[in-house]
Amino acid sequence: GNSVTQMEGPVTLSEEAFLTINCTYTATGYPSLFWYVQYPGEGLQLLLKATKADDKGSNKGFEATYRKETTSFHLEKGSVQVSDSAVYFCALLSGKLIFGQGTTLQVKP
Amino acid sequence: DAGVTQSPTHLIKTRGQQVTLRCSPKSGHDTVSWYQQALGQGPQFIFQYYEEEERQRGNFPDRFSGHQFPNYSSELNVNALLLGDSALYLCASSLAGFNEKLFFGSGTQLSVL
Repeated sequence: GNSVTQMEGPVTLSEEAFLTINCTYTATGYPSLFWYVQYPGEGLQLLLKATKADDKGSNKGFEATYRKETTSFHLEKGSVQVSDSAVYFCALLSGKLIFGQGTTLQVKP
Repeated sequence: DAGVTQSPTHLIKTRGQQVTLRCSPKSGHDTVSWYQQALGQGPQFIFQYYEEEERQRGNFPDRFSGHQFPNYSSELNVNALLLGDSALYLCASSLAGFNEKLFFGSGTQLSVL
């Protein structure tokens, strides 16, 4: 069946460090891929998405490229801020959203 | 423009009881999906309602049931609560056929003792 696997956290970085959160997927066909972010006490918010191979989704300095060769959709940001501290979820759309287990990011000043 | 609203925000129940959670979708949306998020896990799809009917269902037992009203709001009911039902329950709304554009509520935290 379809599934999403994310790197385990927590990921702890200093402010202005480079961020990578790995995400790989298993799916039939080429589903749309997403990154959602969940801030403490809040619901999920869509961060970015890509709908086909080689598409790059971007938002608020975050980027992710849909790689069908490696079935990956890694999230990157060049310089993280304390306000980026949150839980990040990778997901694919297969009639419904299928989420990974989430990766907690802690950014220290 | 109000987003997706859920009530209550927190709830404590005991094993064997029944619970009802409520969701009002974002203005203009007609489809509601429910997700269960256990501690430290990603959300898992429970079911989706559109035109007052259950359209899709995830791998959840019949103890989980739902309803959608003519104003598009929705309820999630869970019977015979188990300790393992303790989780954050998220509601998401969208327009039919636009499942990519989901808007999530802040959730209801259910604790079963």
